Amino acid sequence: ELKVEQNPLFLSMQEGKNYTIYCNYSTTSDRLYWYRQDPGKSLESLFVLLSNGAVKQEGRLMASLDTKARLSTLHITAAVHDLSATYFCAVDEKLTFGTGTRLTIIP
Amino acid sequence: DTGVSQDPRHKITKRGQNVTFRCDPISEHNRLYWYRQTLGQGPEFLTYFQNEAQLEKSRLLSDRFSAERPKGSFSTLEIQRTEQGDSAMYLCASSPPRGVNEQFFGPGTRLTVL
Repeated sequence: ELKVEQNPLFLSMQEGKNYTIYCNYSTTSDRLYWYRQDPGKSLESLFVLLSNGAVKQEGRLMASLDTKARLSTLHITAAVHDLSATYFCAVDEKLTFGTGTRLTIIP
Repeated sequence: DTGVSQDPRHKITKRGQNVTFRCDPISEHNRLYWYRQTLGQGPEFLTYFQNEAQLEKSRLLSDRFSAERPKGSFSTLEIQRTEQGDSAMYLCASSPPRGVNEQFFGPGTRLTVL
């Protein structure tokens, strides 16, 4: 059974700082997705990573994938308040989701 | 608006009642997915359609749950004899026929069973 784990579960960080969210998964997969969810809202697609070594960047967010280590990272650079949300990684075509990381950016 | 739409957005029902939710996918998207999300958790896969064919159902989908996608367009998810444990956000997503299966989610239907 595919399992997806994220850490940390909760992250409180100051504006302007950098941090990384980690996503580990248990079985081989050729695709990994990152989503953002604001409180009470639905999910917004951020990145689709398809191959080993894939790196994608959008604004202050950068995602990478290491399929050999079964690890993806979401790096936040110079955080701003607008990035406060819950971030999920998901694996496989049917989207097995991780537990989510609730990110709070403190002014 | 050309995004995924879901109706109703909120539903409050009494235990034992039947409820039905509707999802309209993005035009030209032939794949449609249903997920359930409880508070503080990630969404969990329920079922998946390609066009009108239901290709997979999760073991989470008990006999009280049924989903349809007539004519490969909109989809409905029905829950019979609702239980308090069915209270959750029900999310629908769709993806296009080619590409990387990037799924686009609707706003969800929040179900509360009293």
